[in-house]
Amino acid sequence: DIQLTQSPSFLSASVGDRVTITCRASQDISSYLAWYQQEPGKAPKLLIYAVSTLQSEVPSRFSGSGSGTEFTLTISSLQPEDFATYYCQQLNSYPLTFGPGTKVDVK
Amino acid sequence: EVQLVESGGGLVQPGGSLRLSCAASGFTFSTYAMNWVRQVPGKGLEWVSYITSSGNTIYYADSVEGRFTISRDNAKNSLYLQMNSLRDEDTAVYYCARKKYSSGYDYWGQGTLVTVSS
Repeated sequence: DIQLTQSPSFLSASVGDRVTITCRASQDISSYLAWYQQEPGKAPKLLIYAVSTLQSEVPSRFSGSGSGTEFTLTISSLQPEDFATYYCQQLNSYPLTFGPGTKVDVK
Repeated sequence: EVQLVESGGGLVQPGGSLRLSCAASGFTFSTYAMNWVRQVPGKGLEWVSYITSSGNTIYYADSVEGRFTISRDNAKNSLYLQMNSLRDEDTAVYYCARKKYSSGYDYWGQGTLVTVSS
């Protein structure tokens, strides 16, 4: 099975900050990586797929990059609605694993 | 508007069974692969099972293989998860999610809570 790790696990930031979250895969997953945002008590929301393609209606302050085994999610200017937990997911092979999550909290 | 609505969760004793349903609307259900994903309250996401649009190919997580069965009825626009031999560790919110080709899960239901406890 492909394992995903995320760093950091927890991040304190302020509105307007640039935030970067890293996701590492235990083996090459090509470009089969997605990012999700989850607010407390809500279902996850797809933000980015295929490493860097923004899902419809996702603000352009979100961006993704990487390939192979290392990927990043960047929020260029953190907004109040962005305080949430972020998960990466590999779609290269079953089981389709998720990373453990990165919680972005108010500094 | 795409909607996925789960139902069937509840409290069940260890060793018991439960059947979850996911009612889909707002899209052509028969053309999309579907998934079940679960989340222990306060913890991360765990993929549970996958079924292709036709139902011909199915995958399960090792943790549920042999105990859970995914199925779908395209005529009823519905996805199901039959859960048998339930364990304490199956306690979680269960989400159904639509798979956007190889691009991720673009629509999720609101989730249904399954609690396994004596």
